[in-house]
Amino acid sequence: QSVLTQPPSVSAAPGQNVTISCSGSSSNIGNNYVSWYQQLPGTAPHFVIFDNYKRPSGIPDRFSGSKSGTSATLGITGLQTGDEADYYCGAWDSSLSGYVFGTGTKVTVL
Amino acid sequence: EVQLVESGGGLVKPGGSLRLSCAASGFNFRIYSMNWVRQAPGKGLEWVSSISNSGSYIYYGDSMKGRFTVSRDNDENSLYLQMDSLRAEDTAIYYCARQGTTFNTAMVFDNWGQGTLVTVSS
Repeated sequence: QSVLTQPPSVSAAPGQNVTISCSGSSSNIGNNYVSWYQQLPGTAPHFVIFDNYKRPSGIPDRFSGSKSGTSATLGITGLQTGDEADYYCGAWDSSLSGYVFGTGTKVTVL
Repeated sequence: EVQLVESGGGLVKPGGSLRLSCAASGFNFRIYSMNWVRQAPGKGLEWVSSISNSGSYIYYGDSMKGRFTVSRDNDENSLYLQMDSLRAEDTAIYYCARQGTTFNTAMVFDNWGQGTLVTVSS
């Protein structure tokens, strides 16, 4: 069972902006770094945000991350059809001594 | 180019065993911690296990403890997952993932394989 909670789905028209929330606790998000992963249909996941807000090379600045307390947020601006995917947050959980993923959010471009 | 190639998946009966392998190339394997992550059909991601670069530190998800064993061979650039007492709920795609950071508190999986499918069914 996931200990990080995300909305099941978000949607918006091309060019619009979306945000995805990720809610956790002090044992994970509250005291550790958050990463975000994008999983395009039929493919393996890849990371789009690490250390709460940093973007790896090759990820456009349309993707942003933030963290406040025990919650994190992924933002996507200027939504494109290629952004249609499942998105997962993740963080180390110090109480579990294990990594936890969020429940996942499906982004749909209308 | 970093490459991670999983193998060893297949159909196994409940209670059976399977050993997954992950062949790594394109980077200095021996300095990176490695992980296994799985995804049941139509479901979300679930972290399975982590092993430090030397193999000294190992962690497992709760539902895998006592049944799964992770190991690595740094001379062969390979990661392994021995899965015993398999259950139907272990049916999933198993991904090998490189850990891009040294510290677990900042854990991130910066490279993933394409996965290997494990099906547990009678």
